[in-house]
Formats: sequence, structure tokens, C-alpha cells
Amino acid sequence: DAGVTQSPTHLIKTRGQQVTLRCSPKSGHDTVSWYQQALGQGPQFIFQYYEEEERQRGNFPDRFSGHQFPNYSSELNVNALLLGDSALYLCASSLGGGVGNQPQHFGDGTRLSIL
Amino acid sequence: GQNIDQPTEMTATEGAIVQINCTYQTSGFNGLFWYQQHAGEAPTFLSYNVLDGLEEKGRFSSFLSRSKGYSYLLLKELQMKDSASYLCASSGGYNKLIFGAGTRLAVHP
Repeated sequence: DAGVTQSPTHLIKTRGQQVTLRCSPKSGHDTVSWYQQALGQGPQFIFQYYEEEERQRGNFPDRFSGHQFPNYSSELNVNALLLGDSALYLCASSLGGGVGNQPQHFGDGTRLSIL
Repeated sequence: GQNIDQPTEMTATEGAIVQINCTYQTSGFNGLFWYQQHAGEAPTFLSYNVLDGLEEKGRFSSFLSRSKGYSYLLLKELQMKDSASYLCASSGGYNKLIFGAGTRLAVHP
């Protein structure tokens, strides 16, 4: 039973570029949430996708956007990259659209470095 | 506002007991999660409390007081492999997690 998988593992970009990160949820899960984790900090909620729609969003600018596909996989897009966007980007999946507070299962993340 | 506080670092001895505290002030609170994160790895789920009281799961226990906005994670019979960061997270809305900065626990022989 595959867990949450993310790609790529590592990525290096320069300021102003655009990036797309990908996530496949754990088998049977239908809800995907994205988090940004700076070094030495806890993850910060970016947004959550359920039924192919963004259902709730954290305090991140519109440069951060996403998508969920019919197979529940998801993408995170970041435009006009800034040095401060350097972080570990974590995808988490859960079941039931967040109702009942099912535990979220995290992928190993994508380490994004901006030069 | 949303605020989660937990100690930055703790040290303990192998075989001992350690308690990691967490206080929270968040809107729309549903429950409290604890995750473990080893360096360079994904956070892994440890426990979830929605009602007041103690939840025991093997060597790990977690406590919640909703009226005090307070939780703790208790780790017994510490092992070297327990050296990791422990993340306290408040759940609100549709299971939107608000994390603290994490507590780095170092277990020494």
C-alpha cells in the first residue's frame, strides 16, 4: 500500500521562475493539503483540495496556486519565485474531506531552493 | 489570532520519561494532533485528542485540556530512536492543521 508520494525530491530554481510540485495521495484518500516548512520551523498550511476544488487556504499570496485531478493527485504551483520561498514543501492526504479529523499522512516533501 | 507554543529544545536520558508541553490559542478548534519528525523525513502521526483527558498508546501518551488550551505528549522508556522533533498541531475547519515550531528532543545514553 503506497503512502503519499511527492516529486521531485529536490529542486533548484532562480528568482522569478515558476515551479510545479506534484503529489499522489495515499491509496483511498481523497483530500490533499499542502504545507510549507522553513528550516527549524513547523509546517505552515498553504491550502487544501477536496473534490477538485480549493476548499480552504492559509495566509499565502496568490502566487501559490494548485490543482486536484480526478484521481485525487494534486499539484502545487508557485509563480514569480522569491528567495523566501526556499523551503520543504509537504503534501498530506486524508480521508473524508476533513470531517472527523482523520490523521493526515505526509509525504517526504520536495526541498525547493531558490538562488 | 492563531498561536501554538512549545519548547524549542529538550534533552533526556535513555530509559527516562519526558513530557513535552504545548499551549494553543486558535479559532475553530476541533482537536489536537502530535506528530514526530526525524531530520530530513516526513512528519508521522502519533496521537489525536478531541476530548479532555489522557490517550495512551504504548510508550506514548497525550493529554488535552480544552478549557486551558493545553496539551502534553508523554514519552516513556525513552530510546535513542526517539530523538526527533515533536510537532503539536491544532486542527480547525476541515482538518486544517496549525503547527507549532516543534520541540527538538535529544535522547542521550
